[in-house]
Amino acid sequence: DAGITQSPRYKITETGRQVTLMCHQTWSHSYMFWYRQDLGHGLRLIYYSAAADITDKGEVPDGYVVSRSKTENFPLTLESATRSQTSVYFCASSESSGTNYNEQFFGPGTRLTVL
Amino acid sequence: AQKITQTQPGMFVQEKEAVTLDCTYDTSDQSYGLFWYKQPSSGEMIFLIYQGSYDEQNATEGRYSLNFQKARKSANLVISASQLGDSAMYFCAMRERSGAGKSTFGDGTTLTVKP
Repeated sequence: DAGITQSPRYKITETGRQVTLMCHQTWSHSYMFWYRQDLGHGLRLIYYSAAADITDKGEVPDGYVVSRSKTENFPLTLESATRSQTSVYFCASSESSGTNYNEQFFGPGTRLTVL
Repeated sequence: AQKITQTQPGMFVQEKEAVTLDCTYDTSDQSYGLFWYKQPSSGEMIFLIYQGSYDEQNATEGRYSLNFQKARKSANLVISASQLGDSAMYFCAMRERSGAGKSTFGDGTTLTVKP
């Protein structure tokens, strides 16, 4: 499928378990992002990546790990899930330009519940 | 300090009327980009409009326009001729030159269009 996809779309897990959320884009965009959106709030940046093998922390990185070995994939791992990580997780990508001001294209989101 | 401030948690507008959604931002960069995204109740994030800090003209995209007042650091979204399908959450976002590609989102405004 063309575009940006996330899997799974819904996930229920238990406190302390490791969870990996997958993100795949077909545009070969340089930039990829992970956000979390808590109920009724805006998006907060967890991690982002400017290119394969280049990642950097966002606003709320604690408890999360990312990797980007290939341009098209950007998995997000919750090392030991906590209830406070219950949220909707959005992956996004954007092209790179001289100014880095391209719009972001978002995946459909993953709704994660930690019991 | 909040980088993006959306002071209207909720707004109502009558169908076919125009509505302005407020956004103020805080940055010391001279070069930055401002974005508006729409999130319907179905949850996806949709890019609407972009304004660059050096753009002299206000951006327009169909029924959307951005009222950019650089000195006041405001980037308000104007939706003309509101439609029922415009009912959604609207987010203002910024990407700064110093931010190495990452972006910051406001908390959003929920717009309800009344028939």
